[in-house]
Amino acid sequence: EPEVTQTPSHQVTQMGQEVILRCVPISNHLYFYWYRQILGQKVEFLVSFYNNEISEKSEIFDDQFSVERPDGSNFTLKIRSTKLEDSAMYFCASTLASGLVGTQYFGPGTRLLVL
Amino acid sequence: KNQVEQSPQSLIILEGKNCTLQCNYTVSPFSNLRWYKQDTGRGPVSLTIMTFSENTKSNGRYTATLDADTKQSSLHITASQLSDSASYICVVSAQAGTALIFGKGTTLSVSS
Repeated sequence: EPEVTQTPSHQVTQMGQEVILRCVPISNHLYFYWYRQILGQKVEFLVSFYNNEISEKSEIFDDQFSVERPDGSNFTLKIRSTKLEDSAMYFCASTLASGLVGTQYFGPGTRLLVL
Repeated sequence: KNQVEQSPQSLIILEGKNCTLQCNYTVSPFSNLRWYKQDTGRGPVSLTIMTFSENTKSNGRYTATLDADTKQSSLHITASQLSDSASYICVVSAQAGTALIFGKGTTLSVSS
């Protein structure tokens, strides 16, 4: 069964460093998302992406964050200058149909720890 | 403010027993409601999706109900198994956008 994959599974970085989290969505999906989950808290929406542009973003997704689909398969989340509070689990998701109705399939997540 | 509240926060049941998890939401306008299962350290996995016109939807031993008038949903798990131990998250989508609004989840522990 097709699945969303994410790399790396874990990343430790120093505060102020740039990190890039990578995702490979399900191949025929059209809508892509990033979410984060701080330890012990609920999952929070960051950004949605369709047709090579951001379709929606939350207040969390400030200028330190950017997303890119550099080729036909990868979908990346970049954090330019990490802060301690960026430590969280980051989930990528994708869906075939419109985000309003379609099932979003989540990847296993990347656990980011900022020291 | 769009919010999703779940109860109970945690629940312990014996293997083979049934349980019901609750979700109340204040999201408006409303598009659809989803229940996800999240194992520790893993991504959420979709169990059901319901639009406002659907009252109930089943997926194996999972049955979700929706009352769009009272803005309440429930997830009923029958004949629980040890593998059902996970966090169950209620997620609501507003019509205005694609962002999903997550509840904090109910942590279910099934013991033998």
